[in-house]
Amino acid sequence: LAKTTQPISMDSYEGQEVNITCSHNNIATNDYITWYQQFPSQGPRFIIQGYKTKVTNEVASLFIPADRKSSTLSLPRVSLSDTAVYYCLDSDSGNTPLVFGKGTRLSVIA
Amino acid sequence: KAGVTQTPRYLIKTRGQQVTLSCSPISGHRSVSWYQQTPGQGLQFLFEYFSETQRNKGNFPGRFSGRQFSNSRSEMNVSTLELGDSALYLCASSRQEGDTQYFGPGTRLTVL
Repeated sequence: LAKTTQPISMDSYEGQEVNITCSHNNIATNDYITWYQQFPSQGPRFIIQGYKTKVTNEVASLFIPADRKSSTLSLPRVSLSDTAVYYCLDSDSGNTPLVFGKGTRLSVIA
Repeated sequence: KAGVTQTPRYLIKTRGQQVTLSCSPISGHRSVSWYQQTPGQGLQFLFEYFSETQRNKGNFPGRFSGRQFSNSRSEMNVSTLELGDSALYLCASSRQEGDTQYFGPGTRLTVL
């Protein structure tokens, strides 16, 4: 069973900032939060990973509050090509198998 | 640096046949994991190999097997194919066990 909970779907207009929240109430001390993006019939693409506070790269930002029980993936100024399924994973740094939930289906509208 | 490559990209088989899928990890990555993705069950872990040894195995029948070679390349085999084996099979590699995994494009297997 997935250790995270996230909305099933979200809609956004082009050019807007999109924030996808993820709950992970039972996150363990050694666990990281990892986000993947997946387009239909393609493999998941790594977006960002964090342990706490804020992480930013050229694609997205990840906010993790001090209690680490939730996190927010922020996608700035989305475009139609950002339409995809986004997965939030609570991954054990010492254990390999990733446990995927159903993800959040983001639809970007022109 | 080249990403994870998987061959073939598409495959059509009939029930009862067997199939072998191949995965070449990112250069320098020693851990390879396999996942199955179906509309009904989502992404599910099959197994993981590190240094030619199976380190973890998911909840799949013995018809699913795999191996890893000394150059870290990996193959998975499915014997006696069933209709329900139709899926996207994904390979992911990481530098070490537990590190960030990077996925390949997948092999789309259709069983008729």
